Amino acid sequence: AQKITQTQPGMFVQEKEAVTLDCTYDTSDQSYGLFWYKQPSSGEMIFLIYQGSYDEQNATEGRYSLNFQKARKSANLVISASQLGDSAMYFCAMREAGGTSYGKLTFGQGTILTVHP
Amino acid sequence: ETGVTQTPRHLVMGMTNKKSLKCEQHLGHNAMYWYKQSAKKPLELMFVYSLEERVENNSVPSRFSPECPNSSHLFLHLHTLQPEDSALYLCASSQDGRGSYNEQFFGPGTRLTVL
Repeated sequence: AQKITQTQPGMFVQEKEAVTLDCTYDTSDQSYGLFWYKQPSSGEMIFLIYQGSYDEQNATEGRYSLNFQKARKSANLVISASQLGDSAMYFCAMREAGGTSYGKLTFGQGTILTVHP
Repeated sequence: ETGVTQTPRHLVMGMTNKKSLKCEQHLGHNAMYWYKQSAKKPLELMFVYSLEERVENNSVPSRFSPECPNSSHLFLHLHTLQPEDSALYLCASSQDGRGSYNEQFFGPGTRLTVL
């Protein structure tokens, strides 16, 4: 079973508007972390935002916020005031504790975001 | 140099060649990772090194051979690859410890084409 599901292969948004990218996850761990990464056409993966499973408040980083609904196992990324430079592939990822000390990330299939002027 | 660097950025090789991908992190991290990103597939974790010891090998064919000589450097040695091995190979590093969730920092990747 897929652990990270991103159901939107592609999304379009008008410049300066907000957009929500969906992510649902599956885990039996009580302790886990959720990440969003941005991958421009250049290929580099850029870390955007992190949410811990025990964090009570939704994470925010500038124009990025994470809408964390633990009971629904969803961790949607909200980008406010979209800019042309936001056009990229966006990946949701999860790190489970799993008894290891290193970070094993499981990634979703990604959503391509296109921002129109 | 800052962050995570990878060389070469692009590589074209024949099926009988031997080549190596190099990754270097300048962040003082203690864990390094190799990922494979094929078209229309999620990133696949290949290898994990924690404190220079290989701690994970996700059923990767033996034609891929990782090496971690120290905490700052990670190599992926390639030999007798197949065309389906063509992909973007991403290196990442993180500062890890039990219970921590520090993010992984990625390099720009090596775009590999196997002819």
